[in-house]
Amino acid sequence: AQTVTQSQPEMSVQEAETVTLSCTYDTSESDYYLFWYKQPPSRQMILVIRQEAYKQQNATENRFSVNFQKAAKSFSLKISDSQLGDAAMYFCAYRSALSGGSNYKLTFGKGTLLTVNP
Amino acid sequence: DTGVSQDPRHKITKRGQNVTFRCDPISEHNRLYWYRQTLGQGPEFLTYFQNEAQLEKSRLLSDRFSAERPKGSFSTLEIQRTEQGDSAMYLCASSSTGGRQPQHFGDGTRLSIL
Repeated sequence: AQTVTQSQPEMSVQEAETVTLSCTYDTSESDYYLFWYKQPPSRQMILVIRQEAYKQQNATENRFSVNFQKAAKSFSLKISDSQLGDAAMYFCAYRSALSGGSNYKLTFGKGTLLTVNP
Repeated sequence: DTGVSQDPRHKITKRGQNVTFRCDPISEHNRLYWYRQTLGQGPEFLTYFQNEAQLEKSRLLSDRFSAERPKGSFSTLEIQRTEQGDSAMYLCASSSTGGRQPQHFGDGTRLSIL
């Protein structure tokens, strides 16, 4: 079974600064997808960024980028120019690339609560 | 695209009562998922539908839980004889087919057992 570990329960950053959230995972599979989701307080979980394991290039979405280290099974999220609206719980998630059944499920870490200070 | 809709947002009930939650996925999505999220934890997978067929159930889904997706549209999750441990946020997500398609989540239903 796959596991996802987020070792930072809480992080804080000053507005306009850069912060990196850590995520490691364990799997025996060679092809899979990795995601970062953001869950603001009492609000909907939304997708921030995703990475296909077969792609060596790190994904980027505006101020959000990842550092994907496949051999180390590491998938960190970097938020540049942090904004007050970035404050939320961030979850790292894994999904198998295999078809069928439970392979479609997301396996989440416990999350990192990000605080943005003005 | 109106997003994934869940109803109700909050449900408070006494232990032993039955509760039912509803999820309306994004209209063109044929895959639908239920997750449970307890305080301080990430969501945990409960079950998955492709169209109307329930293709996977987690061991977390005890006999008191049942989920349906009639006609492959909305889905319901019923919990019978609720227990204190059922208190959680129940999240629904949907996606289209295709491996790289992300899951889109609803706001969730927060269940509190008195």
